[in-house]
Amino acid sequence: QKEVEQNSGPLSVPEGAIASLNCTYSDRGSQSFFWYRQYSGKSPELIMSIYSNGDKEDGRFTAQLNKASQYVSLLIRDSQPSDSATYLCAVNPILTGGGNKLTFGTGTQLKVEL
Amino acid sequence: EAGVTQSPTHLIKTRGQQATLRCSPISGHTSVYWYQQALGLGLQFLLWYDEGEERNRGNFPPRFSGRQFPNYSSELNVNALELEDSALYLCASTRRGTDTQYFGPGTRLTVL
Repeated sequence: QKEVEQNSGPLSVPEGAIASLNCTYSDRGSQSFFWYRQYSGKSPELIMSIYSNGDKEDGRFTAQLNKASQYVSLLIRDSQPSDSATYLCAVNPILTGGGNKLTFGTGTQLKVEL
Repeated sequence: EAGVTQSPTHLIKTRGQQATLRCSPISGHTSVYWYQQALGLGLQFLLWYDEGEERNRGNFPPRFSGRQFPNYSSELNVNALELEDSALYLCASTRRGTDTQYFGPGTRLTVL
C-alpha cells in the first residue's frame, strides 16, 4: 500500500464547477497535511495546510480532513481554466517520516474545460 | 520576502560526469529538502538537511550526496551521472519547528 494515494486523473470539470480532489494516507499517526499545485514543468506551489479534522477555507479552496477515515480532500469552487494543473497531496507521516519530512502522492491532474 | 532560489536553471551533462546543484532557502529558514521528479513521476525525497546536518535520506544510491553551509544554503552533488538521473531537482525549505515546505523553481538536469 502506498503511503499517500491519489487518483492520477485526469479529472475534467467545466468552468465554474466545483472540482473535488481526494487523497488517502496510510500512517494513522500523521498530523500535518498539505495541498500543492504544480503546473507542467514548474515547481509545486503551496495552496494550503490543514492540521485538524474538519474544513479549512481559503478563498475558492477548501481543504477537508477526516483523520478517522485517513482521508483529506481539496475542493475548488468556481473552477477556472487557470486551475488546470496537477494537485499534490503531502503528509507528514509520524511513523516513517522522521521529523518534518513530507511524503507526497503522485498527484491528480485537473483539467478545467471552457 | 524572497523565495527559495536554485541554480542553475538548466544543466546538461554527459554520462559519468558530476553535477552540482545549489539552493538558497528563504531567509530565516533552517531546513533544506531535496527532491527528484523524473518526467511524469511524483516527487521522490532525496535528502533533508537541518542546522548543517543530514537528518534523513531517501532511497537513493550514495552517489547522491550534499551538504548544508553555515548560512543554511545547500548543494546537491550527483556523481557518476546516469541517463536516468535526468529529472527536475527541487529544493524546499522550512522554518525551524515547522513542516510547511516552500519550493524553489528547480534545476532541470539532462544527462546525455
